Amino acid sequence: EVQLVESGGGLVQRGGSLRLSCEASGFTFNRYYLYWVRQAPGKGLEWVACIKEDASEKYILDSVKGRFTISRDNSKNSVFLQMNSLRAEDSGLYYCARDAVAVTKGPLGQWGQGTRVTVSS
Amino acid sequence: SYVLTQPPSVSVAPGETARITCEGNNIGSKSVHWYQQRPGQAPVLVIYYDSDRPSGVPERFSGSNSGNTATLTISRVEAGDEADYYCQVWDRTSDHWVFGGGTKLTVL
Repeated sequence: EVQLVESGGGLVQRGGSLRLSCEASGFTFNRYYLYWVRQAPGKGLEWVACIKEDASEKYILDSVKGRFTISRDNSKNSVFLQMNSLRAEDSGLYYCARDAVAVTKGPLGQWGQGTRVTVSS
Repeated sequence: SYVLTQPPSVSVAPGETARITCEGNNIGSKSVHWYQQRPGQAPVLVIYYDSDRPSGVPERFSGSNSGNTATLTISRVEAGDEADYYCQVWDRTSDHWVFGGGTKLTVL
């Protein structure tokens, strides 16, 4: 069974940092693109970042570029999102997700349950 | 940046057909993916590459994409289909994934 389990969320002051982690199991981790998608309370989905199987390609949302960094450790079946200089508008539920098809950059076929980030002012 | 526009809400009676649109400039040239998100749950992929259905998704769900509009069609709507639905595309110009604003499907 494919599982994606996020952790690392919490309450942080504006300007602070958090590192989100997503541990995967049930599939060959190094064959899939991994994603972070967030959802502010009562709002829609917003893609944040994604990283290729071998980390040779990374894409990140313009509004978080320079503040957020995505990385992965294939030896630990984990993907990370380092978030610095956090703002109130970064608050929300952060989902980790996996491509539906191996070795592609395509639809998100598997999602975790999310980890909540709250940035206080 | 590329923008996807969805109607905020669609209402339909049980057994009827729901059509949820996703508008974008020349969206027909892109691959569109659709997600269902029930309250308090993570999103679930229901249609990918315009019209393909993942295993386990009922045949009642179908998709199309042409011109400036992609459409998710749900036939014989059931109470369990009540959820938010999001479309998604990859914008090659900005190297960004883009989601539509979401459509709340209400089953009357």
